[in-house]
Amino acid sequence: NAGVMQNPRHLVRRRGQEARLRCSPMKGHSHVYWYRQLPEEGLKFMVYLQKENIIDESGMPKERFSAEFPKEGPSILRIQQVVRGDSAAYFCASSPEATSGGAEQFFGPGTRLTVL
Amino acid sequence: GENVEQHPSTLSVQEGDSAVIKCTYSDSASNYFPWYKQELGKRPQLIIDIRSNVGEKKDQRIAVTLNKTAKHFSLHITETQPEDSAVYFCAASIPGDSGGGADGLTFGKGTHLIIQP
Repeated sequence: NAGVMQNPRHLVRRRGQEARLRCSPMKGHSHVYWYRQLPEEGLKFMVYLQKENIIDESGMPKERFSAEFPKEGPSILRIQQVVRGDSAAYFCASSPEATSGGAEQFFGPGTRLTVL
Repeated sequence: GENVEQHPSTLSVQEGDSAVIKCTYSDSASNYFPWYKQELGKRPQLIIDIRSNVGEKKDQRIAVTLNKTAKHFSLHITETQPEDSAVYFCAASIPGDSGGGADGLTFGKGTHLIIQP
């Protein structure tokens, strides 16, 4: 059973470009969470999705950032018109049910975004 | 929302000694408290977790204690080994309501644990 997959692992963008980060959850997992980690800091929750639904996006900036988890295919975190402050590691995690229901979140390897 | 404080930010111990990392949380509704270990450039990996209906949980050299009244929880590593060197994060999760929200984890800022040979 493959773990959580993320691609690309490293992404370089120039200011103003768009960044698309992909996350394939573990098989059988329908809950996906995105986190951002700045250097030397902890992970900050961004958004929680179930298939085709955004459940909680309270940690995601209201502008330029969007997320989706379609019925088929990976979850996508999109950052439009990137700025240098978006440079960070973006991790996704998946679980078979909600964390409050007793499920562990399994993390992917992360995508390291660098904005030039 | 939830706020998690973690101390110390750096902890250096001699190999074989014990290490203790402490966290406090602000929202009494939080009911799930995992600890993650992250090596440099790698993904966070769950090492132990505890739910609010228990006060202590142990797994070999690792234990976690939870004090709901004081809203703090601690990670204890005994007989530390060089491979324990990493950054450790505590986290807390507020259960979602009937709509399923608020299951994201709120993390502490991390503790860089250094095991001295």
